[in-house]
Amino acid sequence: GAVVSQHPSWVICKSGTSVKIECRSLDFQATTMFWYRQFPKQSLMLMATSNEGSKATYEQGVEKDKFLINHASLTLSTLTVTSAHPEDSSFYICSARKTSGSYNEQFFGPGTRLTVL
Amino acid sequence: DAKTTQPTSMDCAEGRAANLPCNHSTISGNEYVYWYRQIHSQGPQYIIHGLKNNETNEMASLIITEDRKSSTLILPHATLRDTAVYYCIVRPPGVAGGTSYGKLTFGQGTILTVHP
Repeated sequence: GAVVSQHPSWVICKSGTSVKIECRSLDFQATTMFWYRQFPKQSLMLMATSNEGSKATYEQGVEKDKFLINHASLTLSTLTVTSAHPEDSSFYICSARKTSGSYNEQFFGPGTRLTVL
Repeated sequence: DAKTTQPTSMDCAEGRAANLPCNHSTISGNEYVYWYRQIHSQGPQYIIHGLKNNETNEMASLIITEDRKSSTLILPHATLRDTAVYYCIVRPPGVAGGTSYGKLTFGQGTILTVHP
C-alpha cells in the first residue's frame, strides 16, 4: 500500500500565530510531495511542490514567505503558515509521489482543516 | 496542460452503473487520463488511469475513445459510499526533475450523488 498521513487533522489558531502541518509518507519514500489548498465548495489548488533536500517550487500567486515548506527527509514535508489570518482558513492537503522505475503515482493525505480566528 | 470538461453533477441509483464522462479534446499523445475522487472533507483517492487502452481495476473501468478526446469512468455497481466529487485529470508527461513533472491540476469535477 501507499499511505500518507497528515498531522494535525484540524487546528484552530489565533490571528497572527504560525501553524505547522506535517505530511508523512508512511510506507514509502517520497522525494517529491505536493501541497494543495481547498476552500469550501471549490476544487484543490496546488500551492507548491516540495522536493527533498532542495527549495520548494511555488505556484504563481502563492507567497513563499508566508507558506514555508521544508522537506527534511524522504518521508516528511512540513508546511508552516506564518502569521496566519482568517483568510488563510482552509483545508490543506498534501500528496506524496511514489516512484518505482517508470511507475509514478501520487497518494494523498487526509487533509488538515485550519481555522484562524 | 490539457483541460478537461466534466458535468457539474450527476445522480445514480444504488446498484446501477454510474457512467461519468470527461472531455479532453486538447490532450497530447503522451498524456495520461487520471481519475480521482474526493469524499467530503477527505483527501482525494486515486481510482484509475489510462493512456490509450481501456482499463479496469477493482474500483472502476475507464473507457477512452479511439481519438482520446474523451473518456468515461464506469462504476459498475454504485453504492451510497460512492457519493463524492469525481475529478478527471490529464497529466502532463513532463521530465523527471522538471517543474511540471507529476503535477496534477484539479478542475471542478463532477458531484456524483448515489441515492437509494
